[in-house]
Amino acid sequence: NAGVTQTPKFQVLKTGQSMTLQCAQDMNHEYMSWYRQDPGMGLRLIHYSVGAGITDQGEVPNGYNVSRSTTEDFPLRLLSAAPSQTSVYFCASSWTSGGDTQYFGPGTRLTVL
Amino acid sequence: AQSVTQPDIHITVSEGASLELRCNYSYGATPYLFWYVQSPGQGLQLLLKYFSGDTLVQGIKGFEAEFKRSQSSFNLRKPSVHWSDAAEYFCAVGAAGNMLTFGGGTRLMVKP
Repeated sequence: NAGVTQTPKFQVLKTGQSMTLQCAQDMNHEYMSWYRQDPGMGLRLIHYSVGAGITDQGEVPNGYNVSRSTTEDFPLRLLSAAPSQTSVYFCASSWTSGGDTQYFGPGTRLTVL
Repeated sequence: AQSVTQPDIHITVSEGASLELRCNYSYGATPYLFWYVQSPGQGLQLLLKYFSGDTLVQGIKGFEAEFKRSQSSFNLRKPSVHWSDAAEYFCAVGAAGNMLTFGGGTRLMVKP
């Protein structure tokens, strides 16, 4: 059981470039979510999904897109990277919503120059 | 809207001393409360959670937390800190049908 996996671990982008952060889970969880972590601000929810084909916005969705074509995968797309998107990104999954334990991936450290 | 406040950004304790990390939440109904720990360069790991019932909950690594509804608090405690407990700790609040909201985190340093 690999749990929640994320790729890449590190990424450097130039302003305006696009990229996709990958997230996969092998626990058959319905709920998946993306957070960004910035110093002193904890984790803030970007987007989440309650099942394949269903996504919704979190607290800080601007500049990010998601889709959920399978239960296992939940990629996060940066459409046109900006320095304000420099952060550590975590993917998480759970059986149900906020009342359930979330399992986190190891994170992706993104720097936008 | 739900929110979580962790008033202490940094805390330093000596190894073997007791620890209490503070967490205050705002939520209209009975919340689900969590404490997660993040070691340097790692993802978050669940320490413990409170859903209902006994207000004193036990977690992994010798941690416990007490839910106090009257104070809207869910403070994390450990009677004797080990050097390996140095990490960042996050309190979070959730509810069925809602996603988690995290506090800003408390970074714990342990002096030898």
